[in-house]
Amino acid sequence: LAKTTQPISMDSYEGQEVNITCSHNNIATNDYITWYQQFPSQGPRFIIQGYKTKVTNEVASLFIPADRKSSTLSLPRVSLSDTAVYYCLVGADYGGATNKLIFGTGTLLAVQP
Amino acid sequence: KAGVTQTPRYLIKTRGQQVTLSCSPISGHRSVSWYQQTPGQGLQFLFEYFSETQRNKGNFPGRFSGRQFSNSRSEMNVSTLELGDSALYLCASSSPGTANTEAFFGQGTRLTVV
Repeated sequence: LAKTTQPISMDSYEGQEVNITCSHNNIATNDYITWYQQFPSQGPRFIIQGYKTKVTNEVASLFIPADRKSSTLSLPRVSLSDTAVYYCLVGADYGGATNKLIFGTGTLLAVQP
Repeated sequence: KAGVTQTPRYLIKTRGQQVTLSCSPISGHRSVSWYQQTPGQGLQFLFEYFSETQRNKGNFPGRFSGRQFSNSRSEMNVSTLELGDSALYLCASSSPGTANTEAFFGQGTRLTVV
């Protein structure tokens, strides 16, 4: 799986938009980009996934440039409950068993009131 | 639809003992993976089971083992416990054919070795 690099931590205030960028220079052609969120003492939770351009769901947006060597997770109008660690992962389907996830260090997002 | 269930939630064991952790995946999911999370090493992949067969294995000693049953439930076992095995153990399930790398995690089992 491609190695990812993301900031160790970020600070924000309630109501602001937060953008977390992840670098994955060695991404392979069939790799997808996936973001997970983790609260303390809980399992990670899938947020969003994409392959190219822009993906949006009810929680976040994911921006992927044409070269796919980076991606940006955008969280609109964050609240205190968005304080968590955010992980960026890249990988592909292993013949139908998509369950070997290689996590990096993640980004600790701290939202202040 | 019930989520991934891990039991027990908390466990305290003594060095040298062994422990068995259980994971019930989401109904219909046939792939189950296990992860160890510690403050020092972060989230690390242990192994993955699919249709009762181990498909992938991480870089952990042989003291860590697992198995999967015909109903897709999985157990992991750690023998001869060491202090460094204290961690949050997470299980994740996924369904073949879903989007790549989308896995559903349980709440985890917090293991403390004393």
